[in-house]
Amino acid sequence: EDKVVQSPLSLVVHEGDTVTLNCSYEVTNFRSLLWYKQEKKAPTFLFMLTSSGIEKKSGRLSSILDKKELFSILNITATQTGDSAVYLCAVGSSVGNNRKLIWGLGTSLAVNP
Amino acid sequence: GAVVSQHPSWVICKSGTSVKIECRSLDFQATTMFWYRQFPKQSLMLMATSNEGSKATYEQGVEKDKFLINHASLTLSTLTVTSAHPEDSSFYICSARDMDYLQETQYFGPGTRLLVL
Repeated sequence: EDKVVQSPLSLVVHEGDTVTLNCSYEVTNFRSLLWYKQEKKAPTFLFMLTSSGIEKKSGRLSSILDKKELFSILNITATQTGDSAVYLCAVGSSVGNNRKLIWGLGTSLAVNP
Repeated sequence: GAVVSQHPSWVICKSGTSVKIECRSLDFQATTMFWYRQFPKQSLMLMATSNEGSKATYEQGVEKDKFLINHASLTLSTLTVTSAHPEDSSFYICSARDMDYLQETQYFGPGTRLLVL
């Protein structure tokens, strides 16, 4: 059965800390891995990763994929209170013509001032 | 780019009524749209995949006669919760995927909070 596992489930840090969020997966017909940030409303897209070893960066956020070990990490450096959110990992899978995302449960990050 | 709108944002209705939620891709064409529901402090649960011009594919355990999906154009999909009951109260979110086959990213609408009294 396809599954995406995120760790930790919850994390509390102080402003300025660096955090690493983990996402491991077992999915048939892997197409891509995506990271989203969800605050009070719907998720907003952060990164899409398809190739191993190529880091994607956006400001203080970066992510990398390891397709051999089947995991990805999301790093946030110099955290700010505005980074507080649930970070969701999803893996794109295809079976025939049916393509969908398999979602992890998310990591809830709280950044305290 | 890649903006998805959802309407309405909030719905409060009486038990037994039907509620329609609209999902629009504003600046791209979406062959495929997805409907999710999310309970407090839980992850997204995929309800159905909506393909333009064909019948939606429902996930196991989701009643297709209860949650009617119509995807009549490349920019609009609707979800109708028929004869809503309090247990249908939830946060409903749609997402849309660009029609380019190579694209994997789903872009989400802002969600609709449904409260059935």
